[in-house]
Amino acid sequence: EAGVAQSPRYKIIEKRQSVAFWCNPISGHATLYWYQQILGQGPKLLIQFQNNGVVDDSQLPKDRFSAERLKGVDSTLKIQPAKLEDSAVYLCASSLGSYASEQYFGPGTRLTVT
Amino acid sequence: EDQVTQSPEALRLQEGESSSLNCSYTVSGLRGLFWYRQDPGKGPEFLFTLYSAGEEKEKERLKATLTKKESFLHITAPKPEDSATYLCAVQTNTGGFKTIFGAGTRLFVKA
Repeated sequence: EAGVAQSPRYKIIEKRQSVAFWCNPISGHATLYWYQQILGQGPKLLIQFQNNGVVDDSQLPKDRFSAERLKGVDSTLKIQPAKLEDSAVYLCASSLGSYASEQYFGPGTRLTVT
Repeated sequence: EDQVTQSPEALRLQEGESSSLNCSYTVSGLRGLFWYRQDPGKGPEFLFTLYSAGEEKEKERLKATLTKKESFLHITAPKPEDSATYLCAVQTNTGGFKTIFGAGTRLFVKA
């Protein structure tokens, strides 16, 4: 069974530029999550989708971050404009359902903002 | 405020030296508590789910337990390949089953 795919793996941009990350979840998984993991910290949930609807985006900085999940499968996370404090690893995860379901994570995208 | 705290931040063990990692939580309603392992440069890997106080789960040298306020991950006779960061996460019943992670415990096992 193929795991969660993410691209790119690494990205370096200057502050005020924009960047986009892509995620393809495990086939059949209805719930998709985006997390931000700053070095030395645990993952922080940014947004959670159930199929193509948003379940929770309370910690997403909506003035600069946006995310969509088209047709309930792939998802993209965008940052525009980026700030220095956005430097982190962005993890995508998926699960069969949203109720107490274990999550399967992709390898992440390491973003460096200079 | 919902919160997850893990201790210690780092733990250094000799091979074969058993120990425990702690995860204490304060949440308005617990749907499930999860343990994950994260190796450097990789995403977290699922280990266990615990749903109610008194529940225990085992896998090889790892055993997870749950009370109403905390969970423990017991590591018996660890090997160097057990070296990783162990993350605890809770799923709450507020706002659509939100997941909250702790900061993790970095485990180093020396041969």
